[in-house]
Amino acid sequence: DTGVSQNPRHKITKRGQNVTFRCDPISEHNRLYWYRQTLGQGPEFLTYFQNEAQLEKSRLLSDRFSAERPKGSFSTLEIQRTEQGDSAMYLCASSLMGAPGEKLFFGSGTQLSVL
Amino acid sequence: LAKTTQPISMDSYEGQEVNITCSHNNIATNDYITWYQQFPSQGPRFIIQGYKTKVTNEVASLFIPADRKSSTLSLPRVSLSDTAVYYCLVRQRVNTDKLIFGTGTRLQVFP
Repeated sequence: DTGVSQNPRHKITKRGQNVTFRCDPISEHNRLYWYRQTLGQGPEFLTYFQNEAQLEKSRLLSDRFSAERPKGSFSTLEIQRTEQGDSAMYLCASSLMGAPGEKLFFGSGTQLSVL
Repeated sequence: LAKTTQPISMDSYEGQEVNITCSHNNIATNDYITWYQQFPSQGPRFIIQGYKTKVTNEVASLFIPADRKSSTLSLPRVSLSDTAVYYCLVRQRVNTDKLIFGTGTRLQVFP
């Protein structure tokens, strides 16, 4: 257990529905990342936060994706009007920026299946 | 923009030492090199991190030459449970400082 918690662990939804995932990082970590991973590929960067500020969102990410990190604690990732191509593992990671060398601590991920 | 280059896959047998090399020609002066291990249906797990020369922990060793343009992860006496994908990361220094994963090295350990 890395201390990063993601919920739900699995999500099955129908195309066109909205889904929301939650990530609870390690409490003292000020950075939070979201990645997406499909079978056989490395994790693909989606977005990241430093405290409550969203510093970057991948240009590959459509406007259907939005993420928040209110108060710099937990984060949510919402996908609106899901498509079959959104099916993937969604990974959250947290880190302590400022320590020499940034180490990411990942959650177990949320596996999304869009039918 | 490819930041790191690793072999796509490697095979080994139990008890052997495995060395996985990563190229990072454009590493910045203050970048650290970090390796992660990932099992199926799990998030990547931090293995080891280094800046220069050699770092060793209970799991692996990391060798970094003086020019820091490459690094080698060394797994001593691998077992079946070391079958996983291994990723080498350095910080992306284009516009932002986000961390980008490559495709990793798929290590298969045979009995």
